[in-house]
Amino acid sequence: KQEVTQIPAALSVPEGENLVLNCSFTDSAIYNLQWFRQDPGKGLTSLLLIQSSQREQTSGRLNASLDKSSGRSTLYIAASQPGDSATYLCAVDPGNTGKLIFGQGTTLQVKP
Amino acid sequence: AAGVIQSPRHLIKEKRETATLKCYPIPRHDTVYWYQQGPGQDPQFLISFYEKMQSDKGSIPDRFSAQQFSDYHSELNMSSLELGDSALYFCASSLGQHQPQHFGDGTRLSIL
Repeated sequence: KQEVTQIPAALSVPEGENLVLNCSFTDSAIYNLQWFRQDPGKGLTSLLLIQSSQREQTSGRLNASLDKSSGRSTLYIAASQPGDSATYLCAVDPGNTGKLIFGQGTTLQVKP
Repeated sequence: AAGVIQSPRHLIKEKRETATLKCYPIPRHDTVYWYQQGPGQDPQFLISFYEKMQSDKGSIPDRFSAQQFSDYHSELNMSSLELGDSALYFCASSLGQHQPQHFGDGTRLSIL
């Protein structure tokens, strides 16, 4: 059974710092991996999607990497800003029908 | 750009009542997923539809049922509601399976 784990559960950094969020999954047979952002009481906003054949994806200050063989993904946020404060969730698509299996998220606070 | 619309945004019910949650996907999206997110938890997959047919089923109680209609909107029907059903229910849509999922803002269901 696929399990997704995110470390750390919470992170607090000063504004301007570069940071890395970690995601690991137990079964390397995935179709793709997505990173989402969730603000309190809100829906999920898709940040990046990495296909299983890709190593990384970039969007603005965000860079996500995927090492499928070791079951790991990282989300790198450059020059963090207070507006980046949110919960970041990674989710894997184990194949077949596209349903997502989520990690429990990392809650990020960026202090001005 | 049009997003996924969920209604109602908030719903308060009593135990043993029924509830219907609605989801209107992004135009031309043919795939709908339903997720349940309990307080402080990660989203859990409930059920999905592709081209109006059920494509996958997760940890969805027998008291719940869902369908996708000819216009691709979907409804989640919940009966004999229990206190433990209190959660945020998300709908996501995509253009085909294994594509980026776009989430609505969710329906917050509270059972008294």
